[in-house]
Amino acid sequence: NAGVTQTPKFRILKIGQSMTLQCTQDMNHNYMYWYRQDPGMGLKLIYYSVGAGITDKGEVPNGYNVSRSTTEDFPLRLELAAPSQTSVYFCASSYVEETQYFGPGTRLLVL
Amino acid sequence: AQSVTQPDIHITVSEGASLELRCNYSYGATPYLFWYVQSPGQGLQLLLKYFSGDTLVQGIKGFEAEFKRSQSSFNLRKPSVHWSDAAEYFCAVAPGGNNDMRFGAGTRLTVKP
Repeated sequence: NAGVTQTPKFRILKIGQSMTLQCTQDMNHNYMYWYRQDPGMGLKLIYYSVGAGITDKGEVPNGYNVSRSTTEDFPLRLELAAPSQTSVYFCASSYVEETQYFGPGTRLLVL
Repeated sequence: AQSVTQPDIHITVSEGASLELRCNYSYGATPYLFWYVQSPGQGLQLLLKYFSGDTLVQGIKGFEAEFKRSQSSFNLRKPSVHWSDAAEYFCAVAPGGNNDMRFGAGTRLTVKP
């Protein structure tokens, strides 16, 4: 099993551009999560999903959108990139209330 | 305010010395409690977790943590640190379950030879 994979590893965006961060898991987990990690800070939950077709907001959802059309994939969309969205983004997955498994992260720089 | 506090931003210990990383939380009921480790450029790996039961929890890589309800603490310990333990350590709590995970700011561990 590959676990949780994320693409791209690193991306530079200009202000106002849009992009999608990809996340895929092959563990058949029903729960998936998106976090962001700012320098010197812990992770903050952006969005989560409890199954295909079901998503909900986390602590810091503004400026982001998600969809979950399959069990495996949980893309995160930035529509109008802003410098405040410069961060490292982590995707994670889990069974209902079990351990969360994290991907390697996507480093995003918005200039 | 509800929070997770890791008082030590950076700790340096000598290889072979003991280690204790502190974590305090301020939530009403006892939440699920976790410790994660993050090596440079990597995602987070779970070291151990506490849901209920025995308050001394054993984890991977020789780590353990003790839940103390009276102190709202969940400190991480290791009796003898190895150079490969150098990393960032995050305490996390989930007061509302997995969908409500709150992380501390992290403690960076440096290991001196």
